[in-house]
Amino acid sequence: GAGVSQTPSNKVTEKGKYVELRCDPISGHTALYWYRQSLGQGPEFLIYFQGTGAADDSGLPNDRFFAVRPEGSVSTLKIQRTERGDSAVYLCASSPTRNSETQYFGPGTRLLVL
Amino acid sequence: DAKTTQPPSMDCAEGRAANLPCNHSTISGNEYVYWYRQIHSQGPQYIIHGLKNNETNEMASLIITEDRKSSTLILPHATLRDTAVYYCIVNGGYQKVTFGTGTKLQVIP
Repeated sequence: GAGVSQTPSNKVTEKGKYVELRCDPISGHTALYWYRQSLGQGPEFLIYFQGTGAADDSGLPNDRFFAVRPEGSVSTLKIQRTERGDSAVYLCASSPTRNSETQYFGPGTRLLVL
Repeated sequence: DAKTTQPPSMDCAEGRAANLPCNHSTISGNEYVYWYRQIHSQGPQYIIHGLKNNETNEMASLIITEDRKSSTLILPHATLRDTAVYYCIVNGGYQKVTFGTGTKLQVIP
């Protein structure tokens, strides 16, 4: 079956612009996660959704970052007033249930802020 | 606050077993040990997980010490395609998952 997909695969933007990154989880997966990965580092947790609600958004670095999952499936990570330090790979993962610890990752979106 | 400690890099000859160690001395009773790997330019891929007992699947084996303070991931016959960064994670159900920097495994022809 289809895995987690993320679009776009690459995004180049200018400092100060607004960007949206999309994640399509595996069908039927109720849990969805966003991570950010900088070069040479492991993925860093940003936010976790259980269904439509954000169950844990403690990893969002500041109020420029926001994520939604209005219908409990597709999620969008939104970054306002982008900064050069936001450049990273943004990874999305999903898992079948709240208590399923195995996460299935998408290929990521590579964001470059010039 | 890293929960696990892994060597930054390891080499393994193709066809030989790769043994990747992980220390998790502060693991609590309800936390599982998970292993993921990340091949260059891809998202992390789940490998295996365990609580107390040793586990084996089609990809790897996981050996957990009796005191659960350390574990070893074993790739029985490493291939060039196993070259990746391997992450050891402890997690007790849903919690904010901390990946750390992992072990970069280089399989050498």
